[in-house]
Amino acid sequence: EPEVTQTPSHQVTQMGQEVILRCVPISNHLYFYWYRQILGQKVEFLVSFYNNEISEKSEIFDDQFSVERPDGSNFTLKIRSTKLEDSAMYFCASSEANLADTGELFFGEGSRLTVL
Amino acid sequence: AQKITQTQPGMFVQEKEAVTLDCTYDTSDQSYGLFWYKQPSSGEMIFLIYQGSYDEQNATEGRYSLNFQKARKSANLVISASQLGDSAMYFCAMREPYSGAGSYQLTFGKGTKLSVIP
Repeated sequence: EPEVTQTPSHQVTQMGQEVILRCVPISNHLYFYWYRQILGQKVEFLVSFYNNEISEKSEIFDDQFSVERPDGSNFTLKIRSTKLEDSAMYFCASSEANLADTGELFFGEGSRLTVL
Repeated sequence: AQKITQTQPGMFVQEKEAVTLDCTYDTSDQSYGLFWYKQPSSGEMIFLIYQGSYDEQNATEGRYSLNFQKARKSANLVISASQLGDSAMYFCAMREPYSGAGSYQLTFGKGTKLSVIP
């Protein structure tokens, strides 16, 4: 069954360092998302991406964050200068259609980021 | 105010028994969708079941069914014949307009930790 894949599964970094989290969405999907989950808390929306541009972002997604689709398959989340509070599980997700039209949103296995 | 409320932080169920995980939601929108996801201890988010607000029948997927009561704004997940592998966190989520600009996102509840007892 097609799935969303994410790398790395776990990354440890020093505060202030740049981090890039990578995702390969399901191949025929057109809408891509990043969500995050701080340990023990609920999953929160960060950003959605469609047609090579951000379609929506939350207040969490400040200037330290950026997303990119560098080629036809990868979708990346970059954190420019990590802070301790960026420690979380970051989930990539994709959907074939706009969430208004589909009930299918598939998540990857997550990338756990630990900032020391 | 909470958009998605899961009142049971933890639940226990005997193996092979059925269990209901509660979820209530708050929205003024007429068009919305409700999702349930399973998160095992390994951390991934596994899609289980979806119910659209206009769907007249309750959604079912194998051992999972969604008890959708629109007037009460509840969307409880029913797991029949529980298995040890069902032990996990379960999150209810609602798809709703995010900013009024035609974009929709998911809002998650805080989750219920289900433990299946042999």
